[in-house]
Amino acid sequence: RKEVEQDPGPFNVPEGATVAFNCTYSNSASQSFFWYRQDCRKEPKLLMSVYSSGNEDGRFTAQLNRASQYISLLIRDSKLSDSATYLCVVKTRTGNQFYFGTGTSLTVIP
Amino acid sequence: DGGITQSPKYLFRKEGQNVTLSCEQNLNHDAMYWYRQDPGQGLRLIYYSQIVNDFQKGDIAEGYSVSREKKESFPLTVTSAQKNPTAFYLCASSMSGTATGELFFGEGSRLTVL
Repeated sequence: RKEVEQDPGPFNVPEGATVAFNCTYSNSASQSFFWYRQDCRKEPKLLMSVYSSGNEDGRFTAQLNRASQYISLLIRDSKLSDSATYLCVVKTRTGNQFYFGTGTSLTVIP
Repeated sequence: DGGITQSPKYLFRKEGQNVTLSCEQNLNHDAMYWYRQDPGQGLRLIYYSQIVNDFQKGDIAEGYSVSREKKESFPLTVTSAQKNPTAFYLCASSMSGTATGELFFGEGSRLTVL
């Protein structure tokens, strides 16, 4: 079983739409959670960390459900510039290890 | 500005040649990592190092070697033993010992074997 699983998509949504991505992780001892954004042929960049109480950054909202071991990312009012691949990343409590989902592809259509 | 520098950005290699990818960071991070990404695939861990003079194999270490002689530097050698080396290679670093320390990435090195 993979450490982190994501729906690969692709998600094709119109501008202004709300879109949600989910991610599940297998290790209940996982410590920290992140969403990264990766543009085509570029390196991943941190979009936001995910905190236990949930957190929001502008149009982006991240949620963590430790009991069910899943993480979500909600994007409201989608912009063309949001088109990218979104990676779910989980950090272990010990060993400073990071585990990546395969990424979810988003295309925002005019 | 602090960050991670990878070089070269693009590299072409003939079959049977070893190549070394450079990774330097000035973030004062203890932990450094090498990942490989194939088209349409997720990141796979090749090697990682938590401290100078120590490193561990990741999931796909065969055909690769690393060294960590300085905190700032973590070069990756792709040897001729690596059967399918054409890929996008990403170096990353993070602060050890913190609960929420995220990964910082270099811009990547794209290796093509001719």
